[in-house]
Amino acid sequence: QKEVEQNSGPLSVPEGAIASLNCTYSDRVSQSFFWYRQYSGKSPELIMSIYSNGDKEDGRFTAQLNKASQYVSLLIRDSQPSDSATYLCAVNINTGNQFYFGTGTSLTVIP
Amino acid sequence: EAQVTQNPRYLITVTGKKLTVTCSQNMNHEYMSWYRQDPGLGLRQIYYSMNVEVTDKGDVPEGYKVSRKEKRNFPLILESPSPNQTSLYFCASSLAGLNEQFFGPGTRLTVL
Repeated sequence: QKEVEQNSGPLSVPEGAIASLNCTYSDRVSQSFFWYRQYSGKSPELIMSIYSNGDKEDGRFTAQLNKASQYVSLLIRDSQPSDSATYLCAVNINTGNQFYFGTGTSLTVIP
Repeated sequence: EAQVTQNPRYLITVTGKKLTVTCSQNMNHEYMSWYRQDPGLGLRQIYYSMNVEVTDKGDVPEGYKVSRKEKRNFPLILESPSPNQTSLYFCASSLAGLNEQFFGPGTRLTVL
């Protein structure tokens, strides 16, 4: 089993819709969780970080963490074509020093 | 401007020729890390450093070396590159191990 798993997609949503991206992880003691966006050929850029159970909102983005289910998700409201990218879930492992990334979910927002 | 820089951005080399990819950050971050990104495999951590003179193996350290003699710099060394090290490499830094990481622009390495 991989440390961090994501549905690779592709996921397509119409402009203005809600995009829902999911991630599961294997290490029960993981403490920090991140969502990154990566455009083709570019470096990952941070969208959200979340450290405790529940929801965290930042503009059109909401991260949700459920440690009991080892599940973290990202909701993108009012999706825009510029949101079309690959979204990477990242989780710290073990003592917090090592990070694992999922393979990413490709999102396309259709105008 | 707060940033992570990497050099070179593109490199084509031959098997066995030692190379170094430099990484520098100007944010006074304690934690630095190297990743490689391959299609279908995602980002995989090679080495990380919690602070000066403290380095540790990530998920795929074989064939790589690192050093952290100064807080701002974290070079990646390939002593004898092989074709399976052809990849896109990213350096990243964060305030501390649990915090969000900021990535450099990437180095695309081809080993012939």
